[in-house]
Amino acid sequence: GDSVTQMEGPVTLSEEAFLTINCTYTATGYPSLFWYVQYPGEGLQLLLKATKADDKGSNKGFEATYRKETTSFHLEKGSVQVSDSAVYFCAIRGAGGTSYGKLTFGQGTILTVHP
Amino acid sequence: NAGVTQTPKFQVLKTGQSMTLQCAQDMNHEYMSWYRQDPGMGLRLIHYSVGAGITDQGEVPNGYNVSRSTTEDFPLRLLSAAPSQTSVYFCASSQIVSRSGANVLTFGAGSRLTVL
Repeated sequence: GDSVTQMEGPVTLSEEAFLTINCTYTATGYPSLFWYVQYPGEGLQLLLKATKADDKGSNKGFEATYRKETTSFHLEKGSVQVSDSAVYFCAIRGAGGTSYGKLTFGQGTILTVHP
Repeated sequence: NAGVTQTPKFQVLKTGQSMTLQCAQDMNHEYMSWYRQDPGMGLRLIHYSVGAGITDQGEVPNGYNVSRSTTEDFPLRLLSAAPSQTSVYFCASSQIVSRSGANVLTFGAGSRLTVL
């Protein structure tokens, strides 16, 4: 079945540092790829997505590029802020399944940004 | 505000007790689902529904029941709670899109359940 492997955390950075959170996946065909973010005490919300190879998703200064050849979707941000402290989840929706929105999530990466 | 509403936010149960976690959405979404979130394991799908009267099992359905009598509501029932069901539960919904599309889930704020 589909699977997602995320970089182990927690990750602790100083404000304005560069962020990379690695994500690789296993799936048949061409899955859709997502990054969700969970702020303290809240549910998950979509951060960005990509639906085909070489697509770049971007939002709030975060970027991730769909790399079919390496089955990866790494999340990056050039300059993090304290307000970016949250848990980040990589997820995929396999193209081999139904269109019922069943996502497979990675284990989540806790990011803490210090002033 | 439009969105997914979950109740209760917190609940403590004793082993063997039953309870229902409520989920309601006002976006006319066809697809609704329940996930549980456990440390180091991400989110795992419990049950899902693609419309009123239609439900199916996800990755970890044992110990949970669901029903979908209306488009808006999708309650999750624990018939006999066990300590292994201590977790944070999230309800999520979306429109059903074509096979080539990308579903974007809208999540509720979560329900934290502790089973003693």
